[in-house]
Amino acid sequence: EVQLVESGGGLVQPGGSLRLSCAASGFTFSSYAMSWVRQAPGEGLEWVSTIIHSGGSTYHADSVKGRFTISRDNSKDTLYLQMNSLRAEDTAVYYCARLTHHSYGYGDYWGQGTLVTVSS
Amino acid sequence: DIQMTQSPSSVSASVGDRVTITCRASQGISNWLAWYQQKPGKAPKLLIYAASSLQTGVPSRFSGSGSGTDFTLTISSLQPEDFATYYCQQAYSFPYSFGQGTELENK
Repeated sequence: EVQLVESGGGLVQPGGSLRLSCAASGFTFSSYAMSWVRQAPGEGLEWVSTIIHSGGSTYHADSVKGRFTISRDNSKDTLYLQMNSLRAEDTAVYYCARLTHHSYGYGDYWGQGTLVTVSS
Repeated sequence: DIQMTQSPSSVSASVGDRVTITCRASQGISNWLAWYQQKPGKAPKLLIYAASSLQTGVPSRFSGSGSGTDFTLTISSLQPEDFATYYCQQAYSFPYSFGQGTELENK
């Protein structure tokens, strides 16, 4: 059974940093691209970042470019999102999702989400 | 960047009704489009990919169509468990983008 479990969310002050993790199981993690998608309270879905299966290429939304970094450790079956210079508008539930292909695709499996709150 | 626009933003319908939701891309995306269903407090669920392919396990009352810039999601006979918010998403090019969502409410 495919499982994605996010962790690392919490309360952080503006300007602070946080690292999210997504532990994967039930599939060959190194064969799939992975994404982070976020949802601010009461709002819609926003794509944040994608990393290809090997980690060799990454893509970030303009809203987080230069502040967030997506990475993966295929030996640990774990996806990461390093978030720096956090702003109030980064407050959201962050989901990790497996994509359907090695370098692109659709989110066919999702984690339960982890809440990040940026506030003083 | 590609903008995705859904309509309507919300729709009221009854069990048994046929419901159609529209998604328009700001430029051609071939058939690189997915539809997701999201219920409150839950993660999104993939319903349709490649514009018209039904994800495994999704009931056949859901269908998708379209290509280029205009796409539709149709629920042929609404069931109680279908009341939720629906999102389209393009996977044609990075940055990926979602529509703003369509809330399907019980009339």
